[in-house]
Amino acid sequence: DGGITQSPKYLFRKEGQNVTLSCEQNLNHDAMYWYRQDPGQGLRLIYYSQIVNDFQKGDIAEGYSVSREKKESFPLTVTSAQKNPTAFYLCASSPRDRGGEQYFGPGTRLTVT
Amino acid sequence: AQSVTQLDSQVPVFEEAPVELRCNYSSSVSVYLFWYVQYPNQGLQLLLKYLSGSTLVESINGFEAEFNKSQTSFHLRKPSVHISDTAEYFCAVRPTGGFKTIFGAGTRLFVKA
Repeated sequence: DGGITQSPKYLFRKEGQNVTLSCEQNLNHDAMYWYRQDPGQGLRLIYYSQIVNDFQKGDIAEGYSVSREKKESFPLTVTSAQKNPTAFYLCASSPRDRGGEQYFGPGTRLTVT
Repeated sequence: AQSVTQLDSQVPVFEEAPVELRCNYSSSVSVYLFWYVQYPNQGLQLLLKYLSGSTLVESINGFEAEFNKSQTSFHLRKPSVHISDTAEYFCAVRPTGGFKTIFGAGTRLFVKA
């Protein structure tokens, strides 16, 4: 089955530690995205990538970093510089066709204490 | 820049009653319009989309939305809801010339027996 996988589903970290969230897709989509979801705030874009080895900052990129070394993979690192990292993180992909919708993974819930 | 306003944060409704979830958007350029649904602790799934053509679009599970260009609205309707429709619904827009999608804050639909 084609789709997007995110792992792990739940992640717990101590404050001050960096953590990497995994996102893999087998849909052959060019574009990939990372969103952060907080209650009552909808989805906010962290980073997006339209092509391998290229990515752009979204609206809330501070304290996060990404890489896009393979078309299938777009990992997100939440660094210790992110002031409030506890949230639900969603990865998505979309085809090059700009009318195409985004396909979302199941999400990773990160809790930092 | 684009923005999306979902006018109701929560909508409680009885089973088999009609429902309308309201969405207004602001954009200086042409946009594609989307409605996504999110069940608890899951990613988002596309419900329906408007790209061009007929202003009334329908989903396979009975939802419909109408694009109103003059009022810059894209309200979602269902004539008779089921308990299983309980979820959070997100309205979203994407410029026809871009990759970034802007999401509303979401409307939580709660269907009561």
